[in-house]
Amino acid sequence: AQSVAQPEDQVNVAEGNPLTVKCTYSVSGNPYLFWYVQYPNRGLQFLLKYITGDNLVKGSYGFEAEFNKSQTSFHLKKPSALVSDSALYFCAVRFSSGSARQLTFGSGTQLTVLP
Amino acid sequence: NAGVTQTPKFQVLKTGQSMTLQCAQDMNHNSMYWYRQDPGMGLRLIYYSASEGTTDKGEVPNGYNVSRLNKREFSLRLESAAPSQTSVYFCASSEVRAGGLPTDTQYFGPGTRLTVL
Repeated sequence: AQSVAQPEDQVNVAEGNPLTVKCTYSVSGNPYLFWYVQYPNRGLQFLLKYITGDNLVKGSYGFEAEFNKSQTSFHLKKPSALVSDSALYFCAVRFSSGSARQLTFGSGTQLTVLP
Repeated sequence: NAGVTQTPKFQVLKTGQSMTLQCAQDMNHNSMYWYRQDPGMGLRLIYYSASEGTTDKGEVPNGYNVSRLNKREFSLRLESAAPSQTSVYFCASSEVRAGGLPTDTQYFGPGTRLTVL
């Protein structure tokens, strides 16, 4: 069964510092990996995805993520955090094989960027 | 272009009452989904509809039914609400790529906050 883990419930970082939000997955095939962001009282917004190709994926709002197959990780990064980046971040995974169209979401990481 | 819309935004029910959550998308997407979001558990898929006329169970379908009314609309029904169904419900949709499979990038509505007393 596919699964995804976000080991940190909460990440705090100072404005201007680099940020990392961690995600690892369990796989029996080739994963499709996603990051979504949720602002308070809003639905989820797509940030970026890895399907195939370059392991470094660039997405919206200056975020990027690196697919690491050997470590089964897909950490979200940003070189310089903004207070407006404070939100709930979800990693999600779907596998390329089979007919299932489900995304499996992690439990979420609350990012707080301190001014 | 409103994207994915959901009604109502908030709802309070008593145990045993029924209600239908409405979802509509104007992006001409084939696939639609219903999720519930509970603290510390991420989003869990309740039901999905790969295309008009088809529906399939997700991870947590018990206590729910769905109807894909047409390509735009996908409703979620609670026949007899229980306190365990207190949650935030999200509808999402995704487009279809060549070959008929979804592109996997899902677009979400703003959610419905449901409380069952």
